[in-house]
Amino acid sequence: AQTVTQSQPEMSVQEAETVTLSCTYDTSESDYYLFWYKQPPSRQMILVIRQEAYKQQNATENRFSVNFQKAAKSFSLKISDSQLGDAAMYFCAYRRGRETSGSRLTFGEGTQLTVNP
Amino acid sequence: NAGVTQTPKFQVLKTGQSMTLQCAQDMNHEYMSWYRQDPGMGLRLIHYSVGAGITDQGEVPNGYNVSRSTTEDFPLRLLSAAPSQTSVYFCASSTRPYSGTEAFFGQGTRLTVV
Repeated sequence: AQTVTQSQPEMSVQEAETVTLSCTYDTSESDYYLFWYKQPPSRQMILVIRQEAYKQQNATENRFSVNFQKAAKSFSLKISDSQLGDAAMYFCAYRRGRETSGSRLTFGEGTQLTVNP
Repeated sequence: NAGVTQTPKFQVLKTGQSMTLQCAQDMNHEYMSWYRQDPGMGLRLIHYSVGAGITDQGEVPNGYNVSRSTTEDFPLRLLSAAPSQTSVYFCASSTRPYSGTEAFFGQGTRLTVV
């Protein structure tokens, strides 16, 4: 079974600075997808960024980027120029690529990010 | 464009009561899932469906029942509520997963069982 681990329950960052959230996963599959979701106090789950395992290039979305290390099974999220609106719970998630039994996501425990003004 | 709609947003139940959490999506997605979110445990899969008439168990199915009579709706039934089912419940939907399409989530239902 796949597992996803986020070893940082809480992180904090000063506004305008950079922070990196860690995620490791365990799988025997070669074809899979990794995601970072943001959950603000509204509870809404918002997709931040997605990485396909077959792509060597790290995904980037504006101020958000990932460091995908396939051999090490590591998938960290870097937030640059942090803003107050980035404060939220962040979840790392995994999905098998050849998932024939539905869109089954495996989530990490979450990291609560605080942004200090 | 409503996306995934969950009702109710909040609910308090007494131990032993039953209830149904509603989930509807208007994106014609084939796949729908129910997750529960507990502190320090992330989201865990309860049940999922790959299409109308087809459902299967996820990681934590005990105490829950689902059915999928239409593409749009995927209700979650609590048969006899227990305090251990106090949680936040999320419904999600997505299209075929091979292209890595994202899952769209509802806004969640906070359930308290007393």
